[in-house]
Amino acid sequence: GQNIDQPTEMTATEGAIVQINCTYQTSGFNGLFWYQQHAGEAPTFLSYNVLDGLEEKGRFSSFLSRSKGYSYLLLKELQMKDSASYLCAVRDYAGNMLTFGGGTRLMVKP
Amino acid sequence: GAVVSQHPSWVICKSGTSVKIECRSLDFQATTMFWYRQFPKQSLMLMATSNEGSKATYEQGVEKDKFLINHASLTLSTLTVTSAHPEDSSFYICSARDEGINYGYTFGSGTRLTVV
Repeated sequence: GQNIDQPTEMTATEGAIVQINCTYQTSGFNGLFWYQQHAGEAPTFLSYNVLDGLEEKGRFSSFLSRSKGYSYLLLKELQMKDSASYLCAVRDYAGNMLTFGGGTRLMVKP
Repeated sequence: GAVVSQHPSWVICKSGTSVKIECRSLDFQATTMFWYRQFPKQSLMLMATSNEGSKATYEQGVEKDKFLINHASLTLSTLTVTSAHPEDSSFYICSARDEGINYGYTFGSGTRLTVV
């Protein structure tokens, strides 16, 4: 089975840095995804990690440690528009199905 | 880039009626599509995996006779909510599988279903 944990809510200040953690215990692993979702909209792709280490893409970075079953999403220079839910998802070993964590609602304050 | 069109974006129906939601891959062929349901302030829960030309695979707890899935072509999958009840009110999202685009998953824009 799959068990994916994220904090439910986080609050941060505009211009600051925030780290959203995700831990997983899965029967198989073939990559971890991070998505951003605004209320009432579909998720949008942010990052993908399959090997250990840090992937950087502009203001967003994602880290993976497969041995620890741990990932984080780092958001720098926070903007008000970054207020959204952030979803961690793990792909199964067969490389087909995605299982989502509960999502982290981030609120960015002025 | 890859685009998945989902229609309708919102629908209101009466209890006991059926509603069909369409998911189309516009510029690529999708052998596999996924249907998710999302309740307010919750994450996406996979309902079923739809494979072109074969029966869908449903997740545990999802009634296959209530949520009918048809994937008759490589670009179209449909989800029909039969005999809808207020507890079926939710946000339904489809996702199409295509390796190489967004690392394999493109989401539709979602359908807000309200059953009254």
